[in-house]
Amino acid sequence: SQQGEEDPQALSIQEGENATMNCSYKTSINNLQWYRQNSGRGLVHLILIRSNEREKHSGRLRVTLDTSKKSSSLLITASRAADTASYFCATVFNQAGTALIFGKGTTLSVSS
Amino acid sequence: KAGVTQTPRYLIKTRGQQVTLSCSPISGHRSVSWYQQTPGQGLQFLFEYFSETQRNKGNFPGRFSGRQFSNSRSEMNVSTLELGDSALYLCASSLELAGENEQFFGPGTRLTVL
Repeated sequence: SQQGEEDPQALSIQEGENATMNCSYKTSINNLQWYRQNSGRGLVHLILIRSNEREKHSGRLRVTLDTSKKSSSLLITASRAADTASYFCATVFNQAGTALIFGKGTTLSVSS
Repeated sequence: KAGVTQTPRYLIKTRGQQVTLSCSPISGHRSVSWYQQTPGQGLQFLFEYFSETQRNKGNFPGRFSGRQFSNSRSEMNVSTLELGDSALYLCASSLELAGENEQFFGPGTRLTVL
């Protein structure tokens, strides 16, 4: 499978804690994207990180990319109940052209 | 700007029927991609259209087809429906080629095949 794989599959934390999700993939990539899906807002783009970048920030989100280990991580700092959602990494594989391939996702539950 | 719209939002069909789903991308976006989401398989790429041309196709049978019109609106068609086609079908648009840019997703069409 060309899918990225997120780890863990599920994560439960308290408000104010940090949440870290990981994504591993198998072949070389052009870029890697993170998306969030919840019932209220559907699937929403969070961050795109290109293969020549190592880290990107967006508000309380921090994404790292390690192409040597074929892995990426998404860190959400100071989590809020509203961060409760499923988080997906999506990769564009050089061989597949521009198609976005999604992983199965990490389900994050943030309780107050 | 209006977001990506999909019609209909919900659909119930029976096995053997065919269905057409519609997607209107964000104004100015030239790429439209379609995905199938199920609890078991997750989000799976169906196809991508860019300037009326199919750029990529996922690993789905020929019963799944699509097209894009000159105004970038897209339709996907599923013929000879099977129970396993029950899923949420998501459409996404991007300014240029999908995968190189942020994709904006529509709310999806929930298809139930009885």
